[in-house]
Amino acid sequence: GEDVEQSLFLSVREGDSSVINCTYTDSSSTYLYWYKQEPGAGLQLLTYIFSNMDMKQDQRLTVLLNKKDKHLSLRIADTQTGDSAIYFCAETIKAAGNKLTFGGGTRVLVKP
Amino acid sequence: DTAVSQTPKYLVTQMGNDKSIKCEQNLGHDTMYWYKQDSKKFLKIMFSYNNKELIINETVPNRFSPKSPDKAHLNLHINSLELGDSAVYFCASSQPQGAGYTFGSGTRLTVV
Repeated sequence: GEDVEQSLFLSVREGDSSVINCTYTDSSSTYLYWYKQEPGAGLQLLTYIFSNMDMKQDQRLTVLLNKKDKHLSLRIADTQTGDSAIYFCAETIKAAGNKLTFGGGTRVLVKP
Repeated sequence: DTAVSQTPKYLVTQMGNDKSIKCEQNLGHDTMYWYKQDSKKFLKIMFSYNNKELIINETVPNRFSPKSPDKAHLNLHINSLELGDSAVYFCASSQPQGAGYTFGSGTRLTVV
């Protein structure tokens, strides 16, 4: 079945790197996503990775995918106070009509 | 030139009323979705349409009726609103196989 899990909370100092982890159960995922949601705002697409890739880098963001362990991570380099938000990982599964199944979100707090 | 736009942004209404939320995308995507985010920030799919055809209907009460006049529009009509319908409703669209999933800014519905 589909299940996506994330840790609830991450605290990091400004300038350090943040790593947000996510695990999923369905090995037939097509795409895996990271979204950012600031308070009172919508879902901002940060990046996504096709399931046959291991890594994707986009400026300060690095996504790592370990298909064997069904583990996805998002690393944010040089974390800024503006990075404080809830981060959601999600997967799509073609057989499930490409619906996005979300994790519960990781609340990241960046301290100055 | 907003990619996925939904209106209204805020909606406050009394129990028992009927209301609609509109969504439009200019990304040329074939597939559109409605998601619901509850008070604990948990996100779950409600409906999916592919080129005006209903693909996913995820155990949503009959009071919720989506309508897709064309592949660029997906509206959500809700009859006999209940207190428990209070949530943020997000529209989204994607490319085939679930790539490039993009969300609207959300409609915060409050039923009083």
